[in-house]
Amino acid sequence: DIEMTQSPSSLSASVGDKVTITCRASQTITRYLNWYQQKPGKAPKLLIYAASNLQSGVPSRFSGSVSGTDFTLTISSLQPEDFATYHCQQSYSPPPTFGQGTKVEVK
Amino acid sequence: QVQLVQSGAEVQKPGASVKVSCEASGDTFIGYTIHWVRQAPGQRLEWMGWINTGNGNIKYSEKFQGRVTITRDTSASAVYMEVGSLRSEDTAVYYCAREMPIEYVWATNRYLDDAFDIWGQGTMVTVSS
Repeated sequence: DIEMTQSPSSLSASVGDKVTITCRASQTITRYLNWYQQKPGKAPKLLIYAASNLQSGVPSRFSGSVSGTDFTLTISSLQPEDFATYHCQQSYSPPPTFGQGTKVEVK
Repeated sequence: QVQLVQSGAEVQKPGASVKVSCEASGDTFIGYTIHWVRQAPGQRLEWMGWINTGNGNIKYSEKFQGRVTITRDTSASAVYMEVGSLRSEDTAVYYCAREMPIEYVWATNRYLDDAFDIWGQGTMVTVSS
């Protein structure tokens, strides 16, 4: 199975900050990478698919990029509703696998 | 827009079975593939298997093969996931999620991909004696 590793596992930030989360795959997955946001007690919500495509209805402050096997989720200006846990997931090769999550907390 | 509504929380004893339902409301989900994903406390999301609601094809994670059964009832617009021989490590929130097919062009190449675009609200299953 393809192993997904996120960094950092958690971070503290303030409203208005630029936040960057990284996800690394254990092998090449080209652009087959999705990002999800999860709030406590809620189901994950799809933010970005195929590395850099914004899901319908997701604010444009969220963006995704890829360099080799490293994927980045960027929040350009953190908003109060963005404090949550973010998960990456590879869809390149079954079974689909997820990163361990990155919790974005209030500084 | 379809919504996925799951059955309520369950408490089961070790060795027992649990069956979780996932019903579509607001639109049909016939023809889509529905996946099951679980999240144990403090653990990452873990994929369990999928069922194609149209043709009934099923695929299980090797980890759960033989212990998990996924079924569908098209007349009820529902999918079910049963876990047998429960153990304490199966304590988790279980989610159903719809697979969204994706097609896009990148650098002149055409790609087919997928993501989980609609999720159920989750069902907490607690395994405790």
